[in-house]
Amino acid sequence: AQSVAQPEDQVNVAEGNPLTVKCTYSVSGNPYLFWYVQYPNRGLQFLLKYITGDNLVKGSYGFEAEFNKSQTSFHLKKPSALVSDSALYFCAVRGNQFYFGTGTSLTVIP
Amino acid sequence: SAVISQKPSRDICQRGTSLTIQCQVDSQVTMMFWYRQQPGQSLTLIATANQGSEATYESGFVIDKFPISRPNLTFSTLTVSNMSPEDSSIYLCSVEVRSGVAYNEQFFGPGTRLTVL
Repeated sequence: AQSVAQPEDQVNVAEGNPLTVKCTYSVSGNPYLFWYVQYPNRGLQFLLKYITGDNLVKGSYGFEAEFNKSQTSFHLKKPSALVSDSALYFCAVRGNQFYFGTGTSLTVIP
Repeated sequence: SAVISQKPSRDICQRGTSLTIQCQVDSQVTMMFWYRQQPGQSLTLIATANQGSEATYESGFVIDKFPISRPNLTFSTLTVSNMSPEDSSIYLCSVEVRSGVAYNEQFFGPGTRLTVL
């Protein structure tokens, strides 16, 4: 069965500090992994994806994610957080359908 | 890519009534989906809207409660029938677009925020 887990409901980070939002996955076969962001009162926006190739994937708004096959992880990272990054982040894996994690609320503190 | 619009963006409804949500895509797509996002929770797939045939519903969702139409490749509707406060949620339309040899990308509409009193 395919699934993703986001172990942290809430992540707080000071502005300017690096941020990490964690995601682990379980999938049979090659994983297709995605990160989405949801700002308040908005729909989901695509951030980045891993399909194949380089384990470090760069996406929108300065975010990147590292695919780690041995740890079955796909953590989202950003070197320097902005207050405007405060939002809800969803990890997803594509199996026979898209499976979404439970979401992590990121708060960047000024 | 695909640009998706939904109507209405939000609504407040009375218990026992029904609301139809419209989803319009700016290009023809084969796969359209309806999701529900309850307060503080992740997305749950309601059904896959198939063009020219009945929608395919996920476990826990039935056609009588959530009838879906898919008259063409750019449009779909989801009706939330006989609403109760438990139906208060954000309803999201989504489409899948072929982005490579072996994978698809998924795009989401802005959502419809439904409150049932």
